[in-house]
Amino acid sequence: DAGVTQSPTHLIKTRGQQVTLRCSPISGHKSVSWYQQVLGQGPQFIFQYYEKEERGRGNFPDRFSARQFPNYSSELNVNALLLGDSALYLCASSLEQGAYGYTFGSGTRLTVV
Amino acid sequence: GQSLEQPSEVTAVEGAIVQINCTYQTSGFYGLSWYQQHDGGAPTFLSYNALDGLEETGRFSSFLSRSDSYGYLLLQELQMKDSASYFCAVREYNFNKFYFGSGTKLNVKP
Repeated sequence: DAGVTQSPTHLIKTRGQQVTLRCSPISGHKSVSWYQQVLGQGPQFIFQYYEKEERGRGNFPDRFSARQFPNYSSELNVNALLLGDSALYLCASSLEQGAYGYTFGSGTRLTVV
Repeated sequence: GQSLEQPSEVTAVEGAIVQINCTYQTSGFYGLSWYQQHDGGAPTFLSYNALDGLEETGRFSSFLSRSDSYGYLLLQELQMKDSASYFCAVREYNFNKFYFGSGTKLNVKP
């Protein structure tokens, strides 16, 4: 079975641009969470979606938004990119909203120049 | 708010036992998870403790003391492939958020 897949794997953007990152959860998993991991730090929670509804939001500005589609895949959008948005963006899926163990994808490495 | 503290780096020899500690402060604690991440890889779920005590999964064990806001990950019979970063993560009471520590880099030497 395929794991959590994310695309693209790497991305370079210019300050002020917008970016869309994509995530396909494990088949049957209904919950998708997004995390930002800056080099040398632990992942920071951005969003959780379950059954196409936002169920949790971390301490990130409104430039960050996300959505979940009927097939449970998800997109993370970041507007007006800043240099500080350069990070590894991780998507994690789980069967249900209250699961305690997530399966992470390998992430999208975003570089803002 | 939430804060988690872990040692930044630990070094041990192959075959030995190592313990990685995690202390936390949180407004709404529900459980403590541990993840392993190799350089350039995805975090991989190792264990979860919601209640006090020890959980054992093969060579890895995890312990939680809710009264002390403290947990640890115990790795036995260390192998070279265990060289990785290990993160503790607190699960917030509303289930939906995990707050990760900064990670402990484990170096296993021959």
